[in-house]
Amino acid sequence: QVQLQESGPGLVKPSQTLSLTCAVSGASISSGGYSWTWIRLPPGKGLEWIGNMYYSGSTYYNPSLESRVTISVDTPKNQFSLKLSSVTAADTAVYYCVRVRSSGWTGIFDYWGQGILVTVSS
Amino acid sequence: DIVMTQSPDSLAVSLGERATINCKSSQSVLHSASNRNYLAWFQQKPGQPPKLLIYWASTRESGVPDRFSGSGSGTDFTLTVSSLQAEDVAVYYCQQYYNIPYTFGQGTKLEIK
Repeated sequence: QVQLQESGPGLVKPSQTLSLTCAVSGASISSGGYSWTWIRLPPGKGLEWIGNMYYSGSTYYNPSLESRVTISVDTPKNQFSLKLSSVTAADTAVYYCVRVRSSGWTGIFDYWGQGILVTVSS
Repeated sequence: DIVMTQSPDSLAVSLGERATINCKSSQSVLHSASNRNYLAWFQQKPGQPPKLLIYWASTRESGVPDRFSGSGSGTDFTLTVSSLQAEDVAVYYCQQYYNIPYTFGQGTKLEIK
């Protein structure tokens, strides 16, 4: 059974960097056939894709966030991370880590973490 | 970006009746070489993460009840719940995975009438 679990601070001050980690169990993060992604759900808004990390190490980010986002992997710990810099109140959201079942250049979002609420406030 | 627009925003249906949710993409998500539509549907219940229901526009994910079905091609898609059950109350999202950035519809809230 594949499980993903987000962790990190629930409160971040404006202008600081949001840092989250996703621990993966039941699957190897370095195995082929999958990529790993972050998605967020701001209050009262819709789901927003943040970025993907492929098992090869390649990353692709949403252009709307690209200048502030870094997704990285820690293979020995079987986890991947999200860093979002210079946050504002608009970055307040529930953040989900998700496994992507690869299909060619893209994939299907099949397993989701429970999500973690991150509030940006002083 | 491909814009995904769902209709209606909310829907109330009686138990046992059919519920239909529509999703329109601003450009085709049909890949001509594979003849596949890069369109998925998710269900999100309160306090839970989204759950994959349908991918390739009409393929049901393992374990999803067969009362859920997806149809459509190109730019117009439909999610149908053939006989609404109480546990189907949720917000439903469509999503395209044809192009980066992957994008979602705004969500449709399905309730019991």
